[in-house]
Amino acid sequence: QKEVEQDPGPLSVPEGAIVSLNCTYSNSAFQYFMWYRQYSRKGPELLMYTYSSGNKEDGRFTAQVDKSSKYISLFIRDSQPSDSATYLCAMSDYKLSFGAGTTVTVRA
Amino acid sequence: NAGVTQTPKFQVLKTGQSMTLQCAQDMNHNSMYWYRQDPGMGLRLIYYSASEGTTDKGEVPNGYNVSRLNKREFSLRLESAAPSQTSVYFCASSRADYGYTFGSGTRLTVV
Repeated sequence: QKEVEQDPGPLSVPEGAIVSLNCTYSNSAFQYFMWYRQYSRKGPELLMYTYSSGNKEDGRFTAQVDKSSKYISLFIRDSQPSDSATYLCAMSDYKLSFGAGTTVTVRA
Repeated sequence: NAGVTQTPKFQVLKTGQSMTLQCAQDMNHNSMYWYRQDPGMGLRLIYYSASEGTTDKGEVPNGYNVSRLNKREFSLRLESAAPSQTSVYFCASSRADYGYTFGSGTRLTVV
């Protein structure tokens, strides 16, 4: 069993929809939780970072962490075609472990 | 503001050939990493260097060697390339355990 599980999708939504992405994990030592966005043929870029359980908002993006359930989520409100990318969750105890990534397409 | 620079961007090797992937960062980060990315597998850590002068194995180190040349540079060497090493390779650096900055990747094909 992988330490970090992420549904690879793909996920296709119409413009303006809410995108919901999830990851589960098994290592209770993970302390830091991140979401990365990766456009085609580019390197991943840090999108959201959080340390504790709860919600964190940044513009149209909301990250949720539930340490008791070992579950993290990313929500994208009012999705735009420019949000089309692969989203990777990542978690860290002393080094990062990544999910496999979910490919999202936002249709205009 | 270059961030993390990887060279080359593309490479085709024959089985058994050797090559070195270069990585340099200009953010004064202590830690540097090499990952490979394969479809459905996500990013898997090959080697990392927590600080200048130290290197450690990651999840998939077999067939690779690394050198932390100085604080800025971290190279990855394939001594005898195999088709299973066909992948996209990413170098990253970080100041701490979070906020990794990635390079744009090297697409390697071994035939």
